[in-house]
Amino acid sequence: AQTVTQSQPEMSVQEAETVTLSCTYDTSESDYYLFWYKQPPSRQMILVIRQEAYKQQNATENRFSVNFQKAAKSFSLKISDSQLGDAAMYFCAYLSYNTDKLIFGTGTRLQVFP
Amino acid sequence: GAVVSQHPSWVICKSGTSVKIECRSLDFQATTMFWYRQFPKQSLMLMATSNEGSKATYEQGVEKDKFLINHASLTLSTLTVTSAHPEDSSFYICSARGGQGGSYEQYFGPGTRLTVT
Repeated sequence: AQTVTQSQPEMSVQEAETVTLSCTYDTSESDYYLFWYKQPPSRQMILVIRQEAYKQQNATENRFSVNFQKAAKSFSLKISDSQLGDAAMYFCAYLSYNTDKLIFGTGTRLQVFP
Repeated sequence: GAVVSQHPSWVICKSGTSVKIECRSLDFQATTMFWYRQFPKQSLMLMATSNEGSKATYEQGVEKDKFLINHASLTLSTLTVTSAHPEDSSFYICSARGGQGGSYEQYFGPGTRLTVT
């Protein structure tokens, strides 16, 4: 079974600085998707960025980018120019082609200080 | 596009009663809907997967007789918590697949907070 591990329960960053959230996963599959979701206090899950495993190029969405290392099974999220509105829980998630199930990590709470 | 709503956003019920939570895809047809449960300060755990017109597939450890799921149309799935008990208190989130993001992407509803007294 696949597992997703987020080893940082909490992280903090100063406004305008850069922060990297870690995520590792375990799988025997070769094809899958990886996601980062943001859950603000409203608890609405918001998709931040997605990565298809077959793509070598790291995904980027404005201030958000990932470092996808398939061999190492690592999928970290970098937030540049952090803003107060980035404060939230961030979940790394794995989607299996085979089981069609989304598996979430335990989350990292990000605090942004002015 | 790809908006998913849930109703109600919060509900309080007495122990032993049943409560129904609706999940609707507002601007797309959802071929598959998923129900998750999230305890405070914890991650989302998949409870079941439902396809329109078919019986839901439940995850191991989820009681199908307690958590009744009905996916009656391509825009509506319901979760009924039967004979609710305080331990069923949780945050329930649905997601739907079938929008513009592709065949794999899930769009999440805003969640429903259930409190059983």
